[in-house]
Amino acid sequence: GAVVSQHPSRVICKSGTSVKIECRSLDFQATTMFWYRQFPKQSLMLMATSNEGSKATYEQGVEKDKFLINHASLTLSTLTVTSAHPEDSSFYICSAGDWKTYEQYFGPGTRLTVT
Amino acid sequence: KQEVTQIPAALSVPEGENLVLNCSFTDSAIYNLQWFRQDPGKGLTSLLLIQSSQREQTSGRLNASLDKSSGRSTLYIAASQPGDSATYLCAVPQGSGTYKYIFGTGTRLKVLA
Repeated sequence: GAVVSQHPSRVICKSGTSVKIECRSLDFQATTMFWYRQFPKQSLMLMATSNEGSKATYEQGVEKDKFLINHASLTLSTLTVTSAHPEDSSFYICSAGDWKTYEQYFGPGTRLTVT
Repeated sequence: KQEVTQIPAALSVPEGENLVLNCSFTDSAIYNLQWFRQDPGKGLTSLLLIQSSQREQTSGRLNASLDKSSGRSTLYIAASQPGDSATYLCAVPQGSGTYKYIFGTGTRLKVLA
C-alpha cells in the first residue's frame, strides 16, 4: 500500500516559538492532503485540506494564521504551528488521498509538546 | 452534516472471543467507509476499505460489513488475541466527491490473555 511519512515524529518546543511538521507521500502523487489533530483519548478532528499549488481550506474554528499550511509539491505538505502555546500540544496526523480508490493513507503522526 | 458514532466506547474481552464493533453514520450518501486501528501514541493503520457498492470486505480474522441504507457498518474480529488490543476507528467521507473524512468516536478494545 501507499506510504505517507511525517517528520518529526516528536517535537518539544518552548511557548512562543514556531514548529514545522512535514508530510510526504513516498510512492504516489497527492494533489490533496489533510491535516488532523487528536487530543488524548479523543478521535481525529480535521483541521484543514491542503491543496497542491493553492491555498489550504480550513475547517470552522481553525485559525489559518496560526496553523500555516503549504503544499508546494505533489509529494509534500507542511504544517507550521506559529507562536505555539501549551494548548497547541497535541498529536498531529496527515493523510493523502489516492484518487483511484478514494482511499486515504495516513502518516504515523507527530507528537507536539509545547512547554 | 455527517455524524459518526461508534459503540461500544470501550470493550474488554477474554482471549479467543469473537466480537463485533459497530459504526453508525447519519448521511448514507457515502462512497466508501474505512476501518482503522490505532495503537496508543501511534498513527492510524488502515484495516479495511469498503466501497459503497460492496456489502463486505474480509482480511484475515477481520470482516467488515456495510449497510448504507441503515447507515451502519460492523467490524467483526474472530478469535480475538491480546495483540488486537487497540482503538478501532471508522471513518466516512464528509460528503460526496470529497476526501474529507469524518471519524467516529472510536472503540477501545482490550483483549485479556
